[in-house]
Amino acid sequence: KQEVTQIPAALSVPEGENLVLNCSFTDSAIYNLQWFRQDPGKGLTSLLLIQSSQREQTSGRLNASLDKSSGRSTLYIAASQPGDSATYLCAVLGLSGTASKLTFGTGTRLQVTL
Amino acid sequence: DGGITQSPKYLFRKEGQNVTLSCEQNLNHDAMYWYRQDPGQGLRLIYYSQIVNDFQKGDIAEGYSVSREKKESFPLTVTSAQKNPTAFYLCASSTRSVTSYGYTFGSGTRLTVV
Repeated sequence: KQEVTQIPAALSVPEGENLVLNCSFTDSAIYNLQWFRQDPGKGLTSLLLIQSSQREQTSGRLNASLDKSSGRSTLYIAASQPGDSATYLCAVLGLSGTASKLTFGTGTRLQVTL
Repeated sequence: DGGITQSPKYLFRKEGQNVTLSCEQNLNHDAMYWYRQDPGQGLRLIYYSQIVNDFQKGDIAEGYSVSREKKESFPLTVTSAQKNPTAFYLCASSTRSVTSYGYTFGSGTRLTVV
């Protein structure tokens, strides 16, 4: 059974800092890994998707890496801003029986202070 | 703009009452999903549907029912058999190429038992 862990559970940084969020998974047989952002009381917004054959993806100040063999992914946020404050979730898509299944971590709650 | 619309945003259920959560998408996605989110836990899959008139149980289907009569719509009914329904419910959709394009989520419905 796939298990996804995100460390740390919460993080507070001053504005302007670069930061790294971590995601680990137990079964390396995945199709892709997706990073999401969730604001309080809101739905999930997709940030980056890394397919299993890729090592990293970039979008603006965000960079996500994937090391499938070691079961790890990192989300790097450059020059953090207060607007980056949210919960960040990672999810891996793997095979469960005959269907694909998305398994989520419990998230990292990020606060960027002025 | 294409997206997923969930309604209502907030819903209150009395003991013994069935309630239905709406999910509509105009993305022309084939697959649709319902997830439940509880504090401190990852999202858990309730039901999913890969084509019209077909759906499968997820990890926590007991006390829930769904229908998929139209490609665009995937309503979720929370029945009186669900003993702890208070949670945040998220609907998602994906194309057949989910490994390449990932999942898109709606804005969620918060259900509270009163």
